[in-house]
Amino acid sequence: GAGVSQSPSNKVTEKGKDVELRCDPISGHTALYWYRQSLGQGLEFLIYFQGNSAPDKSGLPSDRFSAERTGGSVSTLTIQRTQQEDSAVYLCASSLASSGGQEKLFFGSGTQLSVL
Amino acid sequence: AQKVTQAQTEISVVEKEDVTLDCVYETRDTTYYLFWYKQPPSGELVFLIRRNSFDEQNEISGRYSWNFQKSTSSFNFTITASQVVDSAVYFCALSEARGGKLIFGQGTELSVKP
Repeated sequence: GAGVSQSPSNKVTEKGKDVELRCDPISGHTALYWYRQSLGQGLEFLIYFQGNSAPDKSGLPSDRFSAERTGGSVSTLTIQRTQQEDSAVYLCASSLASSGGQEKLFFGSGTQLSVL
Repeated sequence: AQKVTQAQTEISVVEKEDVTLDCVYETRDTTYYLFWYKQPPSGELVFLIRRNSFDEQNEISGRYSWNFQKSTSSFNFTITASQVVDSAVYFCALSEARGGKLIFGQGTELSVKP
């Protein structure tokens, strides 16, 4: 597609349920990033992928959070046993590469997660 | 450790006023990159500019200008003759040359009133 696509755009779930968030990066982009934006907060880094590998998972808040990327393309972020504090907008971004640090990121519109 | 600070959480101006958004960063690296992104009400972040640590030339693009000063570790963003369409949250961000994550500031919400 032309841009980064995220699905679903909105997700409402009950506390304790698992959720999966999906990200389709721009074709040809080897680097993929997940960020979390809570209400009134900045962007909190979660994890990034270079290809299918995740060199930096340092931002994942707990072991309830995991992410994978397959075929160097689609990525899923899974949150197990959701808690109310997980409510936020989850943003995905991609870039041509993550090496060198100079690549600009292209962002999706995000998934608004609400945990009741 | 890397850190980006945007001390202004909210700014409100009247159309046609000039406004400057402040950004201060911390890094131990000598090579790094600074960015500004705009997040309009629609939610999708849009890239505005990138500067590398070796290029301190100020940049102007239409009504937008950026002032990069390594001596004060600042990368400020000025909008001249602001317009209602400039209303958005603006984020300053930093990445290091070894690559990887982009560290964002908390953002500044700019409201331009007619």
